[in-house]
Amino acid sequence: RKEVEQDPGPFNVPEGATVAFNCTYSNSASQSFFWYRQDCRKEPKLLMSVYSSGNEDGRFTAQLNRASQYISLLIRDSKLSDSATYLCVVNRGGSYIPTFGRGTSLIVHP
Amino acid sequence: SQTIHQWPATLVQPVGSPLSLECTVEGTSNPNLYWYRQAAGRGLQLLFYSVGIGQISSEVPQNLSASRPQDRQFILSSKKLLLSDSGFYLCAWALTQGGEQYFGPGTRLTVT
Repeated sequence: RKEVEQDPGPFNVPEGATVAFNCTYSNSASQSFFWYRQDCRKEPKLLMSVYSSGNEDGRFTAQLNRASQYISLLIRDSKLSDSATYLCVVNRGGSYIPTFGRGTSLIVHP
Repeated sequence: SQTIHQWPATLVQPVGSPLSLECTVEGTSNPNLYWYRQAAGRGLQLLFYSVGIGQISSEVPQNLSASRPQDRQFILSSKKLLLSDSGFYLCAWALTQGGEQYFGPGTRLTVT
């Protein structure tokens, strides 16, 4: 099993839709989790951290499920500008070494 | 506020030539620094990270090396490039180990 796994997609959704991505991780000792957004041929940009209690920022909600070892990202009311690749990051338990998932591609169409 | 610089933005180098990519961070002290490579259509691969001057940890054995001669400067080098070294090289910094990372604009390297 890979350390961090994401469904590559693409997720093709209409504007206004709600879409959710999951990211599973294998190391139960992992302590910190993040979601990044990467536009084509650009650097990743931090979207949000994922806390044990969850995290919400506007239309974006991130959740952590330690029992099943996954994090999720929910996007409500999708905009055309949300089209991008969404990367999850899990820090290796005990060492804080970051491991990136390969990303999930989202395409929002009119 | 903090900013991170990387240069050059693009680079085309022949096989067997040397490489030096530089990354500098402004507006913070003693950052954790990272070098990643992203091959075409692939995920980010952590190459090196550093928690302080002169402290470099390597994640993947290969013909690349890294150095941190100053607190906010991180350099990625190679003595002889391979075709497989082509990719998008990204430098990132974080305030703490395991903390949120902020990326530079990257260098797109093509080895011919």
